[in-house]
Amino acid sequence: QQQVKQSPQSLIVQKGGISIINCAYENTAFDYFPWYQQFPGKGPALLIAIRPDVSEKKEGRFTISFNKSAKQFSLHIMDSQPGDSATYFCAAHSGNTPLVFGKGTRLSVIA
Amino acid sequence: EAGVAQSPRYKIIEKRQSVAFWCNPISGHATLYWYQQILGQGPKLLIQFQNNGVVDDSQLPKDRFSAERLKGVDSTLKIQPAKLEDSAVYLCASSLYGLTEAFFGQGTRLTVV
Repeated sequence: QQQVKQSPQSLIVQKGGISIINCAYENTAFDYFPWYQQFPGKGPALLIAIRPDVSEKKEGRFTISFNKSAKQFSLHIMDSQPGDSATYFCAAHSGNTPLVFGKGTRLSVIA
Repeated sequence: EAGVAQSPRYKIIEKRQSVAFWCNPISGHATLYWYQQILGQGPKLLIQFQNNGVVDDSQLPKDRFSAERLKGVDSTLKIQPAKLEDSAVYLCASSLYGLTEAFFGQGTRLTVV
């Protein structure tokens, strides 16, 4: 059972454009929603995270939008740069249960 | 602050052989996780430790996989015997307590031939 569904599987964006990655979850007990960034040969690194008591969180060029009623959250990367090219994973967890990851989105930012 | 250390970085073995991976978490982190990441997929939890006790091993194939964290610090994950489908990156992660933020190591890429 896939508890976190992520789309799209891959994404190509022009430099300076906006990258948008979406995730949907099923378990209403989830209370922590992080996004991880992974470069080839590296482990995932926490990028930004949100809790369901807010609808949006912004850190620099990265924004999470959260829709509790729809059980969806998304990552927006503004002014996308070639250095943002990586695989992005959404994840979710509740309490002391482990992170459940989406399948990932491979982002390519082209000049 | 030193990150999560894993070794080896790469390992190639033949099917039915055994292999072991080592992880040293960030100092002071009580929670340690082993994840399996198959190419093109998100990480999947194999086992979670809280100090030296197992919290969740429901997705660990216990007929061939084992893990220990005897002193509540570093940990080893073993596969015996390996199968072709075990080819993956094995990621270790740690968090201070619970799972508010998990820090991942670089992983061990296992190829079973």
